[in-house]
Amino acid sequence: ETGVTQSPTHLIKTRGQQVTLRCSSQSGHNTVSWYQQALGQGPQFIFQYYREEENGRGNFPPRFSGLQFPNYSSELNVNALELDDSALYLCASSLSPNLDTGELFFGEGSRLTVL
Amino acid sequence: KQEVTQIPAALSVPEGENLVLNCSFTDSAIYNLQWFRQDPGKGLTSLLLIQSSQREQTSGRLNASLDKSSGRSTLYIAASQPGDSATYLCAVTGATNKLIFGTGTLLAVQP
Repeated sequence: ETGVTQSPTHLIKTRGQQVTLRCSSQSGHNTVSWYQQALGQGPQFIFQYYREEENGRGNFPPRFSGLQFPNYSSELNVNALELDDSALYLCASSLSPNLDTGELFFGEGSRLTVL
Repeated sequence: KQEVTQIPAALSVPEGENLVLNCSFTDSAIYNLQWFRQDPGKGLTSLLLIQSSQREQTSGRLNASLDKSSGRSTLYIAASQPGDSATYLCAVTGATNKLIFGTGTLLAVQP
């Protein structure tokens, strides 16, 4: 177990709705990254948060947004949900935003289904 | 643009066999490469992390190698067991400080 916790574990939404996913990072980790994993695919980088600021973003539209709180926990918000947003959303924490020597520790993910 | 490919996409072996999973990447300017295990519907468990200056890492029955110049890594699993059945993902990290993943190899070890 990595110490990274995510909630909820499963949820179902309809097209056009909004969703908020939550992540608590491992103790001592100040950086949180979010990844989207569609069925049968590898995870895709959404963005990284460090010191409450977005610190790098992948190829995702602005309706994907995030927050990081002073305790380093984080939220992923997705507005105007589309069917293709159905995926496993993974949160990962690390000791720093620089991954040249460090590892990422992943949570169990939040499974989002959009109908 | 970095691309990561894993071959084979799926593999089925009888219990006790040794096996090799392959990972290739197009840009050799990486900081490190990680192998992960993913059980169905679950998160990722890190198995081995190889820094760009290293050639291999070992943990128990697992051995991962890295040939950065040729853009290749292998994950060797010795004496496979049914509990090894899972999807294995490799990921590289470069200057963008994000992991770029392959699509994984689905391994089934038959008892």
